[in-house]
Amino acid sequence: DQQVKQNSPSLSVQEGRISILNCDYTNSMFDYFLWYKKYPAEGPTFLISISSIKDKNEDGRFTVFLNKSAKHLSLHIVPSQPGDSAVYFCAASATGANNLFFGTGTRLTVIP
Amino acid sequence: DAGVIQSPRHEVTEMGQEVTLRCKPISGHDYLFWYRQTMMRGLELLIYFNNNVPIDDSGMPEDRFSAKMPNASFSTLKIQPSEPRDSAVYFCASSSNHRDTQYFGPGTRLTVL
Repeated sequence: DQQVKQNSPSLSVQEGRISILNCDYTNSMFDYFLWYKKYPAEGPTFLISISSIKDKNEDGRFTVFLNKSAKHLSLHIVPSQPGDSAVYFCAASATGANNLFFGTGTRLTVIP
Repeated sequence: DAGVIQSPRHEVTEMGQEVTLRCKPISGHDYLFWYRQTMMRGLELLIYFNNNVPIDDSGMPEDRFSAKMPNASFSTLKIQPSEPRDSAVYFCASSSNHRDTQYFGPGTRLTVL
């Protein structure tokens, strides 16, 4: 059973606009969340993370928001650039657990 | 550092053949993870090692899959016999501790005909 869900398999956004990628989780023990970005023929690379003690973490154009009550997190990219076109994976882990649980990914296409 | 190295990058084999995927983690990383990426299930954890010891192999699909880590710089994932449903991209990742960022290799695209 998928404990981390990304219900939108794809998203298209115009260059310069905001991209919002969503992720839901079911395990209330998850307390650390990450976003990875993956280009074709490459492995995923770490993008940004957030601990459950926060509700927002920002790094340049990338911001992750966490809503613990809704078990929902989102990644905002603003402004979106063509180089942001990639597959984005949401991942989560729980204290005491040694592994990450990944979602199925969302393919973002930023249109020039 | 060269990052996580995986070989081969592509593998095409026939059903029933043995397949061995290889991984060299980043030097100094104590954790090594094997993942499989499919459209339906995304990135699935197959098995992970800590200090060369397998910790959790509950994600290994069945007895046809096995993994070893004979030393800190090398791991293998073996499928014997392979089946068409094993076709996927297999990733190896390593990290310095269990909650730290995982660094992924480029993956091995396996096609079983």
